[in-house]
Amino acid sequence: DAGVIQSPRHEVTEMGQEVTLRCKPISGHNSLFWYRQTMMRGLELLIYFNNNVPIDDSGMPEDRFSAKMPNASFSTLKIQPSEPRDSAVYFCASSFSKISTYEQYFGPGTRLTVT
Amino acid sequence: GENVEQHPSTLSVQEGDSAVIKCTYSDSASNYFPWYKQELGKRPQLIIDIRSNVGEKKDQRIAVTLNKTAKHFSLHITETQPEDSAVYFCAASRGGETSYDKVIFGPGTSLSVIP
Repeated sequence: DAGVIQSPRHEVTEMGQEVTLRCKPISGHNSLFWYRQTMMRGLELLIYFNNNVPIDDSGMPEDRFSAKMPNASFSTLKIQPSEPRDSAVYFCASSFSKISTYEQYFGPGTRLTVT
Repeated sequence: GENVEQHPSTLSVQEGDSAVIKCTYSDSASNYFPWYKQELGKRPQLIIDIRSNVGEKKDQRIAVTLNKTAKHFSLHITETQPEDSAVYFCAASRGGETSYDKVIFGPGTSLSVIP
């Protein structure tokens, strides 16, 4: 099993540009999560999907952020336009919701730098 | 919504000593409490979890205790080793037996084990 796959691993972009982060969850998992990690704010949940349906997007900071999950094996997080304060490590995680265990498997993360 | 607090924010111990990290949560409906370990530059990984119908759980050198009445839970690491150095996150969730809910993470504790 390749685990959760994220791309790109590093992204450097200029303010105002569109950024798209990609995630492939573990096959068979039915929940997918997007997190943002910074020193100041820690690990923040942005949005999560269950069976490809967005369940809670209350953590999405503003309308510049959007996420999609068109099928069970792919999700994107888009920032348009990007701003320097969006610089962070973005993690995608997946899990298989079942009785008694909800372990989340994190991807390697995408380190985003907006200049 | 749920709020998870964690103390201390940093912790240094001598190799071989014990380390204790404490967390409190606000949502009395939370019933699932995982702990994640994040080594420098890597992804968070689940190390142990506990459900609300259990007061204590052990796995080799790590143990978690839960006091549901007081709404606090703790991670105990005995005989610490340099490879235990990492950031540890506690978390809480309402995750039910037939449905899934989001996991809220604490701010993290940076543990340093001094050889």
